[in-house]
Amino acid sequence: DTEVTQTPKHLVMGMTNKKSLKCEQHMGHRAMYWYKQKAKKPPELMFVYSYEKLSINESVPSRFSPECPNSSLLNLHLHALQPEDSALYLCASSPGGARGAKNIQYFGAGTRLSVL
Amino acid sequence: ILNVEQSPQSLHVQEGDSTNFTCSFPSSNFYALHWYRWETAKSPEALFVMTLNGDEKKKGRISATLNTKEGYSYLYIKGSQPEDSATYLCASYSSASKIIFGSGTRLSIRP
Repeated sequence: DTEVTQTPKHLVMGMTNKKSLKCEQHMGHRAMYWYKQKAKKPPELMFVYSYEKLSINESVPSRFSPECPNSSLLNLHLHALQPEDSALYLCASSPGGARGAKNIQYFGAGTRLSVL
Repeated sequence: ILNVEQSPQSLHVQEGDSTNFTCSFPSSNFYALHWYRWETAKSPEALFVMTLNGDEKKKGRISATLNTKEGYSYLYIKGSQPEDSATYLCASYSSASKIIFGSGTRLSIRP
């Protein structure tokens, strides 16, 4: 199984809503990543978890709150988002820890988020 | 170069032709370069991880080269097929965990 599964595929939320994005992998990978991609722009790294601990937070606003309950699961909790947060949110995992630039990343298909 | 730049942004190629495109990245503090292939509505799929200057990697009809001193990598596709239509992304690591992606080259193959 080389899949990274992201749910939901699409999400529409209002600015006062609280929602969560979910990412799951069963490859035994110990690094998991959240990326944000706006249309026609490159994916931007948001968070990295290594061995279930947050190792990188790329100055992301606190309205995005990551959580890694176990080695297979990564959540992104969303609260009080702004319309400019509308984007594709990608999850990825890689073997070993976050310091694994020499390991490929396995990506999910993403959650397309629209904030109204 | 401070960012990762890919050129061209888009490319239309006749089926059977060969093609190539470029990823330019900061040559200082180079750590690794990844190439990904991303088909519409699917997940980005890793093609190559390149770490050494002069590296050349090959997977079927696709190959890539790396020049870390001048900060560029080329991706080549030989004998393009319709299934090669996708966006090709490169990602540069300036340390073990600092990743910057390019905006991608969108490749369309005309039958």
